[in-house]
Amino acid sequence: EAQVTQNPRYLITVTGKKLTVTCSQNMNHEYMSWYRQDPGLGLRQIYYSMNVEVTDKGDVPEGYKVSRKEKRNFPLILESPSPNQTSLYFCASSLAGSYNSPLHFGNGTRLTVT
Amino acid sequence: AQSVSQHNHHVILSEAASLELGCNYSYGGTVNLFWYVQYPGQHLQLLLKYFSGDPLVKGIKGFEAEFIKSKFSFNLRKPSVQWSDTAEYFCAVKAGTASKLTFGTGTRLQVTL
Repeated sequence: EAQVTQNPRYLITVTGKKLTVTCSQNMNHEYMSWYRQDPGLGLRQIYYSMNVEVTDKGDVPEGYKVSRKEKRNFPLILESPSPNQTSLYFCASSLAGSYNSPLHFGNGTRLTVT
Repeated sequence: AQSVSQHNHHVILSEAASLELGCNYSYGGTVNLFWYVQYPGQHLQLLLKYFSGDPLVKGIKGFEAEFIKSKFSFNLRKPSVQWSDTAEYFCAVKAGTASKLTFGTGTRLQVTL
Protein backbone atom coordinates (compact mmCIF):
# COMPACT_ATOMS: atom_id res chain seq x y z
CA GLU A 1 0.00 0.00 0.00
CA ALA A 2 1.32 3.42 -0.99
CA GLN A 3 1.81 5.49 2.09
CA VAL A 4 3.77 8.00 4.09
CA THR A 5 4.66 6.70 7.54
CA GLN A 6 5.51 8.96 10.44
CA ASN A 7 6.69 7.95 13.88
CA PRO A 8 5.86 8.47 16.61
CA ARG A 9 2.18 9.52 16.50
CA TYR A 10 2.41 11.20 19.89
CA LEU A 11 5.43 12.60 21.69
CA ILE A 12 5.75 14.46 24.96
CA THR A 13 9.16 15.83 25.82
CA VAL A 14 10.88 18.51 27.86
CA THR A 15 12.57 21.68 26.76
CA GLY A 16 16.04 21.12 25.36
CA LYS A 17 15.90 17.36 24.91
CA LYS A 18 16.82 16.52 21.33
CA LEU A 19 14.27 14.51 19.37
CA THR A 20 13.75 13.10 15.90
CA VAL A 21 10.49 12.44 14.10
CA THR A 22 10.89 9.91 11.32
CA CYS A 23 9.16 9.97 7.95
CA SER A 24 9.31 7.31 5.28
CA GLN A 25 7.49 6.94 1.95
CA ASN A 26 7.27 3.91 -0.33
CA MET A 27 6.16 5.64 -3.53
CA ASN A 28 9.60 6.54 -4.88
CA HIS A 29 8.68 10.22 -4.61
CA GLU A 30 11.43 12.76 -5.12
CA TYR A 31 9.77 15.60 -3.22
CA MET A 32 9.25 15.47 0.54
CA SER A 33 8.21 18.15 2.95
CA TRP A 34 7.47 18.84 6.61
CA TYR A 35 4.57 21.00 7.79
CA ARG A 36 3.36 22.09 11.17
CA GLN A 37 -0.32 22.67 11.78
CA ASP A 38 -1.47 25.17 14.39
CA PRO A 39 -5.01 26.40 15.12
CA GLY A 40 -5.87 29.45 13.07
CA LEU A 41 -2.62 29.28 11.12
CA GLY A 42 -3.27 26.30 8.85
CA LEU A 43 -0.29 24.36 7.59
CA ARG A 44 3.08 26.06 7.38
CA GLN A 45 6.02 24.53 5.62
CA ILE A 46 9.13 23.90 7.72
CA TYR A 47 11.56 22.32 5.27
CA TYR A 48 11.34 20.55 1.96
CA SER A 49 13.54 18.38 -0.20
CA MET A 50 13.48 18.11 -3.98
CA ASN A 51 15.64 14.98 -3.98
CA VAL A 52 18.39 13.12 -2.13
CA GLU A 53 20.90 15.46 -0.49
CA VAL A 54 18.86 18.52 -1.53
CA THR A 55 16.99 20.35 1.21
CA ASP A 56 15.62 23.89 1.49
CA LYS A 57 14.00 26.05 4.12
CA GLY A 58 10.28 26.56 4.05
CA ASP A 59 8.40 29.34 5.78
CA VAL A 60 9.17 28.46 9.42
CA PRO A 61 12.53 26.61 9.55
CA GLU A 62 13.89 28.09 12.80
CA GLY A 63 14.60 25.47 15.43
CA TYR A 64 14.41 22.54 13.01
CA LYS A 65 16.82 20.46 10.97
CA VAL A 66 16.26 17.84 8.29
CA SER A 67 18.32 15.41 6.30
CA ARG A 68 17.73 13.48 3.09
CA LYS A 69 20.36 10.77 2.86
CA GLU A 70 18.00 8.32 1.16
CA LYS A 71 15.10 8.94 -1.17
CA ARG A 72 12.51 7.31 1.06
CA ASN A 73 13.42 8.93 4.40
CA PHE A 74 13.15 12.53 5.54
CA PRO A 75 13.56 12.84 9.32
CA LEU A 76 12.76 16.05 11.20
CA ILE A 77 15.19 16.91 13.98
CA LEU A 78 14.61 19.28 16.87
CA GLU A 79 18.02 19.81 18.46
CA SER A 80 16.70 21.79 21.42
CA PRO A 81 12.90 21.77 21.49
CA SER A 82 11.03 24.67 23.03
CA PRO A 83 7.37 24.99 24.08
CA ASN A 84 6.54 27.06 20.99
CA GLN A 85 7.28 23.98 18.92
CA THR A 86 4.32 22.22 20.48
CA SER A 87 2.26 21.44 17.39
CA LEU A 88 0.90 18.83 15.03
CA TYR A 89 3.48 17.86 12.43
CA PHE A 90 2.85 16.32 9.03
CA CYS A 91 5.27 14.82 6.58
CA ALA A 92 4.24 14.73 2.92
CA SER A 93 5.63 13.56 -0.41
CA SER A 94 4.91 13.94 -4.11
CA LEU A 95 6.43 13.48 -7.52
CA ALA A 96 8.83 16.35 -8.01
CA GLY A 97 8.84 18.12 -11.33
CA SER A 98 5.18 17.26 -11.71
CA TYR A 99 3.62 20.53 -10.68
CA ASN A 100 0.11 19.15 -10.59
CA SER A 101 1.03 16.15 -8.49
CA PRO A 102 -0.80 16.22 -5.17
CA LEU A 103 0.87 15.74 -1.82
CA HIS A 104 0.44 12.49 0.07
CA PHE A 105 0.41 13.06 3.81
CA GLY A 106 1.45 10.98 6.76
CA ASN A 107 -0.85 10.51 9.77
CA GLY A 108 0.78 13.24 11.78
CA THR A 109 2.85 13.53 14.94
CA ARG A 110 1.43 15.45 17.86
CA LEU A 111 4.35 16.93 19.77
CA THR A 112 4.10 18.51 23.20
CA VAL A 113 7.12 20.29 24.65
CA THR A 114 6.87 21.17 28.34
CA ALA B 1 5.29 35.03 -2.71
CA GLN B 2 1.86 33.57 -3.18
CA SER B 3 -0.69 33.60 -0.39
CA VAL B 4 -4.02 31.86 0.09
CA SER B 5 -7.01 33.28 1.96
CA GLN B 6 -9.90 31.34 3.36
CA HIS B 7 -12.26 33.86 4.89
CA ASN B 8 -14.67 31.40 6.49
CA HIS B 9 -12.98 30.04 9.58
CA HIS B 10 -15.88 28.08 11.02
CA VAL B 11 -19.08 27.12 9.20
CA ILE B 12 -22.03 25.35 10.78
CA LEU B 13 -24.67 23.83 8.51
CA SER B 14 -27.59 21.47 8.87
CA GLU B 15 -27.63 18.26 6.89
CA ALA B 16 -28.88 18.73 3.33
CA ALA B 17 -27.89 22.41 3.27
CA SER B 18 -25.75 23.65 0.42
CA LEU B 19 -22.11 24.49 1.00
CA GLU B 20 -19.76 27.04 -0.47
CA LEU B 21 -16.33 27.68 1.01
CA GLY B 22 -14.33 30.58 -0.28
CA CYS B 23 -10.70 30.48 -1.39
CA ASN B 24 -8.73 33.36 -2.89
CA TYR B 25 -5.08 33.39 -3.85
CA SER B 26 -2.58 36.03 -4.79
CA TYR B 27 -0.45 35.12 -7.77
CA GLY B 28 -0.72 36.49 -11.27
CA GLY B 29 0.66 33.60 -13.27
CA THR B 30 -0.30 30.00 -13.88
CA VAL B 31 -1.53 28.21 -10.79
CA ASN B 32 -2.43 24.72 -9.75
CA LEU B 33 -5.19 24.62 -7.18
CA PHE B 34 -6.13 21.99 -4.63
CA TRP B 35 -8.66 21.36 -1.93
CA TYR B 36 -7.70 18.99 0.88
CA VAL B 37 -9.93 17.64 3.60
CA GLN B 38 -8.92 16.60 7.11
CA TYR B 39 -11.45 14.48 8.98
CA PRO B 40 -11.21 14.57 12.79
CA GLY B 41 -8.04 12.90 13.98
CA GLN B 42 -6.85 12.07 10.49
CA HIS B 43 -4.31 13.32 7.97
CA LEU B 44 -5.06 15.51 4.99
CA GLN B 45 -6.52 13.88 1.91
CA LEU B 46 -6.92 15.29 -1.57
CA LEU B 47 -10.49 16.28 -2.38
CA LEU B 48 -9.97 17.70 -5.86
CA LYS B 49 -7.47 19.59 -7.97
CA TYR B 50 -7.34 21.93 -10.93
CA PHE B 51 -4.41 22.51 -13.25
CA SER B 52 -5.91 23.25 -16.69
CA GLY B 53 -9.00 22.82 -18.85
CA ASP B 54 -12.56 22.99 -17.60
CA PRO B 55 -12.62 25.45 -14.70
CA LEU B 56 -15.36 23.44 -12.99
CA VAL B 57 -13.69 20.53 -11.30
CA LYS B 58 -15.46 17.59 -9.74
CA GLY B 59 -13.92 15.72 -6.86
CA ILE B 60 -14.77 12.90 -4.53
CA LYS B 61 -17.89 12.65 -2.35
CA GLY B 62 -19.94 15.05 -4.47
CA PHE B 63 -17.67 18.06 -4.02
CA GLU B 64 -16.83 20.43 -6.83
CA ALA B 65 -14.88 23.64 -7.20
CA GLU B 66 -14.85 26.42 -9.74
CA PHE B 67 -11.73 28.26 -10.82
CA ILE B 68 -12.48 31.89 -11.68
CA LYS B 69 -9.26 33.37 -12.95
CA SER B 70 -10.48 36.96 -13.00
CA LYS B 71 -11.39 36.74 -9.33
CA PHE B 72 -8.35 34.69 -8.28
CA SER B 73 -10.79 32.31 -6.64
CA PHE B 74 -11.29 28.58 -6.31
CA ASN B 75 -14.42 28.11 -4.19
CA LEU B 76 -15.50 24.69 -3.00
CA ARG B 77 -19.15 23.67 -3.28
CA LYS B 78 -21.45 20.81 -2.44
CA PRO B 79 -25.21 20.91 -3.12
CA SER B 80 -26.22 18.90 -0.05
CA VAL B 81 -23.88 18.25 2.87
CA GLN B 82 -23.95 15.20 5.08
CA TRP B 83 -23.02 14.79 8.72
CA SER B 84 -19.96 12.82 7.57
CA ASP B 85 -18.66 15.95 5.80
CA THR B 86 -17.76 17.41 9.19
CA ALA B 87 -14.07 18.15 8.77
CA GLU B 88 -11.53 20.87 8.18
CA TYR B 89 -11.04 21.98 4.59
CA PHE B 90 -7.86 23.49 3.23
CA CYS B 91 -7.35 25.29 -0.02
CA ALA B 92 -3.81 25.15 -1.44
CA VAL B 93 -1.98 26.70 -4.37
CA LYS B 94 1.12 25.83 -6.37
CA ALA B 95 2.42 28.79 -8.37
CA GLY B 96 3.84 28.18 -11.81
CA THR B 97 6.07 25.13 -11.97
CA ALA B 98 7.14 25.36 -8.35
CA SER B 99 6.77 22.35 -6.09
CA LYS B 100 5.97 24.44 -3.03
CA LEU B 101 2.34 24.16 -1.96
CA THR B 102 0.95 27.09 0.02
CA PHE B 103 -2.03 26.35 2.24
CA GLY B 104 -4.81 28.57 3.48
CA THR B 105 -5.61 28.66 7.18
CA GLY B 106 -8.47 26.19 6.77
CA THR B 107 -12.23 26.22 7.28
CA ARG B 108 -13.78 24.07 9.94
CA LEU B 109 -17.12 22.69 8.75
CA GLN B 110 -19.56 21.35 11.28
CA VAL B 111 -22.65 19.60 9.94
CA THR B 112 -25.49 19.10 12.40
CA LEU B 113 -28.21 16.48 12.18
